[in-house]
Amino acid sequence: SQQGEEDPQALSIQEGENATMNCSYKTSINNLQWYRQNSGRGLVHLILIRSNEREKHSGRLRVTLDTSKKSSSLLITASRAADTASYFCATDRGNEKLTFGTGTRLTIIP
Amino acid sequence: DAGITQSPRHKVTETGTPVTLRCHQTENHRYMYWYRQDPGHGLRLIHYSYGVKDTDKGEVSDGYSVSRSKTEDFLLTLESATSSQTSVYFCAIRLNLDRGGGNTIYFGEGSWLTVV
Repeated sequence: SQQGEEDPQALSIQEGENATMNCSYKTSINNLQWYRQNSGRGLVHLILIRSNEREKHSGRLRVTLDTSKKSSSLLITASRAADTASYFCATDRGNEKLTFGTGTRLTIIP
Repeated sequence: DAGITQSPRHKVTETGTPVTLRCHQTENHRYMYWYRQDPGHGLRLIHYSYGVKDTDKGEVSDGYSVSRSKTEDFLLTLESATSSQTSVYFCAIRLNLDRGGGNTIYFGEGSWLTVV
């Protein structure tokens, strides 16, 4: 069963705007990770946030984690055409495996 | 570049035939994974390995077997392919890049399998 569920399933925004994607999960976690997948390619790791962290930044990415609500959000600021991709959250429960959500498909309109 | 190579990258096969997908890594990583990706389901873990000859099932292991006879190679076999196994298959390795114990996954480029 899926541990993570992303919302929305698809998102289209104008270039330069901010994009926010959300992830909800079901059980306690050690950390939560976000990945990006360009069309026809493998997933690429973006950022990891541990269960004892509430917010983390990396370049134009900002991730928040609310363990009480079992949810996370990924914010991409000042979006670019190259950000067009699918984004997945993945949860690590410390059992040697990552469980992925179903993804958000982001389209940046030039 | 964590040095993962998947082969074949594309394959069309007939129902009932055996198929083996190969994942090759060059950096001696202990953990290797096979995922499948389908629309509406995201990525689902098929099998994984935590060492030579050490493997375990994931959430969608039925109809699949794996083998790891040496560190660098992790093979996924469909003993008798069915149309429901038409999918994109991704091999991945676990990278322990985070000193706090968080492990990230590095993916191969995928193998597109069509069962007709």
